[in-house]
Amino acid sequence: QQQVKQSPQSLIVQKGGISIINCAYENTAFDYFPWYQQFPGKGPALLIAIRPDVSEKKEGRFTISFNKSAKQFSLHIMDSQPGDSATYFCAASSGGYNKLIFGAGTRLAVHP
Amino acid sequence: DAGITQSPRYKITETGRQVTLMCHQTWSHSYMFWYRQDLGHGLRLIYYSAAADITDKGEVPDGYVVSRSKTENFPLTLESATRSQTSVYFCASSEDRNTEAFFGQGTRLTVV
Repeated sequence: QQQVKQSPQSLIVQKGGISIINCAYENTAFDYFPWYQQFPGKGPALLIAIRPDVSEKKEGRFTISFNKSAKQFSLHIMDSQPGDSATYFCAASSGGYNKLIFGAGTRLAVHP
Repeated sequence: DAGITQSPRYKITETGRQVTLMCHQTWSHSYMFWYRQDLGHGLRLIYYSAAADITDKGEVPDGYVVSRSKTENFPLTLESATRSQTSVYFCASSEDRNTEAFFGQGTRLTVV
């Protein structure tokens, strides 16, 4: 039972391009939607997060778009750089214990 | 050093042996979590804890045991290791619900 579905599994983008990763969820009780970035050999680190009372959040080159009615949210990376090459995970949580349910991950490669 | 640390970083064990993975955080965060990361599955929650002496099961708890006698420590024990438990294990902590979860560097466990 995968409550958070993430696509694509892998993504190749040219330097300066836009990277787009999509996630869909099923549980309407989810109320917190973070994106985590993971480099090889490291633990995931929070990139950006959104709550369902807003439709978009932007931090630098990273933007989350959130569509509550469609139960979807996406990460856009503008002006993608080789240093952005990593695995990205969307996640969602609800309730009182911050139990994050993760998507399967997207491996992003930004070519120079 | 401040942060969250896991030990050991790498472990090879035999089927049927008991093995304990350690997790220590210095922030006095209330919430702590254990995840396993497997290709194609993202990160799956094994157990979580809302405070000392309060623990509960996540998505994939079978074969694992946790304890939390002190706020800063959250060890994970595999009672009788199986090959299917070969994985990368991540410990995480967060201060409150729907706030950033900080992950350790991970423990790569191989069961032979």
